Amino acid sequence: QVQLVQSGAEVKRPGASVKVSCKASGYTFRNYGISWVRQAPGQGLEWMGWISAYKGNTNYPQKLQGRVTMTTDTSTSTAYMELRSLRSDDTAVYYCARARYYDKPHPDDAFDIWGQGTMVTVSS
Amino acid sequence: QSVLTQPPSVSAAPGQKVTISCSGSSSNIGNNYVSWYQQLPGTAPKLLIYDNNKRPSGIPDRFSGSKSGTSATLGITGLQTGDEADYYCGTWDGSLSVGTVFGTGTKVTVL
Repeated sequence: QVQLVQSGAEVKRPGASVKVSCKASGYTFRNYGISWVRQAPGQGLEWMGWISAYKGNTNYPQKLQGRVTMTTDTSTSTAYMELRSLRSDDTAVYYCARARYYDKPHPDDAFDIWGQGTMVTVSS
Repeated sequence: QSVLTQPPSVSAAPGQKVTISCSGSSSNIGNNYVSWYQQLPGTAPKLLIYDNNKRPSGIPDRFSGSKSGTSATLGITGLQTGDEADYYCGTWDGSLSVGTVFGTGTKVTVL
């Protein structure tokens, strides 16, 4: 079946980096984009950016530019999200989600398949 | 701080109907499609509605979506205990370097 399976929970010190993986199966990876969304404890959803699994072009919100990098490996149908200079307020569950459009970030996009989530805890 | 405003909570008895509003502006809802997501406790979000009013396969027609101007609405009829969850609207914001935005979220309680 179509699914996204993410890597396991992480605990990091402030200032460190974390890299979360998201392996796709059951569909043609290159025909879609991947977005990353995070959710701090007890809070709502925050979009972190989008990557084309076809061309690798990315789109990040201004808030995270310079701290986040999204990549894909089409040979293994895996997407990655790296967040640097971690702070305590980066503590959250991080989700990958399949985006309908593969060529560029699209205003009408929606996220139809979600990974199970990866808990990232930032604590000294 | 989300740019899309939803009521914190709504409630109704089993079998009844609830509606959830999502208020935005011309830079987001006013000019783009809206999607809706259901998040059951301890699980990942699930797409309920896309393109304002379309349901993915497998989503029952008890769930419906609409949009008017800079606001959108999710309706749930025939409320069931399994519908207890958090619901989020989402859309694109065309303001500089903002991207996809989500609503503040609404907790649905089945009385």
